[in-house]
Amino acid sequence: KAGVTQTPRYLIKTRGQQVTLSCSPISGHRSVSWYQQTPGQGLQFLFEYFSETQRNKGNFPGRFSGRQFSNSRSEMNVSTLELGDSALYLCASSFQPGQGVGEQFFGPGTRLTVL
Amino acid sequence: GQQLNQSPQSMFIQEGEDVSMNCTSSSIFNTWLWYKQDPGEGPVLLIALYKAGELTSNGRLTAQFGITRKDSFLNISASIPSDVGIYFCAGNYGGATNKLIFGTGTLLAVQP
Repeated sequence: KAGVTQTPRYLIKTRGQQVTLSCSPISGHRSVSWYQQTPGQGLQFLFEYFSETQRNKGNFPGRFSGRQFSNSRSEMNVSTLELGDSALYLCASSFQPGQGVGEQFFGPGTRLTVL
Repeated sequence: GQQLNQSPQSMFIQEGEDVSMNCTSSSIFNTWLWYKQDPGEGPVLLIALYKAGELTSNGRLTAQFGITRKDSFLNISASIPSDVGIYFCAGNYGGATNKLIFGTGTLLAVQP
């Protein structure tokens, strides 16, 4: 069974640009969560999607947005990039929110560097 | 952002030694989880705890869900070089969300 896939794995952008990251969950999983990992703030929750609806949102500015498609794949977008957005962006998939917290699996992440 | 207090921050031990790390929160959690993260990879679940007082083992790893529901610990017995990595605790409040609040992490280095 294939794991969570995130593309691209590495990305370099400059300040002011925007970026789109993609996450394909494990087959059969319909819930996708996104996290940002930085040395200073650690792992921070960004959003949670289920059935194409955002179910939960972390404390991030409006420049961070996301969506989920009917096939459960998810994308997140960061507009007007800042240096502080440099981070490892992780996606986690599970069957559905509230069930199987321990059965959510993380992808390898997308390493975003903003210059 | 919210993070759980995890200690120690780092540990440098000899192969064969036992390791203990813990996590505390000001809030009550319904679920406690322990993850290990290797460089360049996402966190991998080690142990999930669903009930206060629960003690669960996974091979050489043992974790407990604190009675107050505000803390958890992880023990690793007879450490080996492949135990090297960063260990994170995480808590979930329950309800209709899988949102996790992560700890600050413990870096474990094992010298052969």
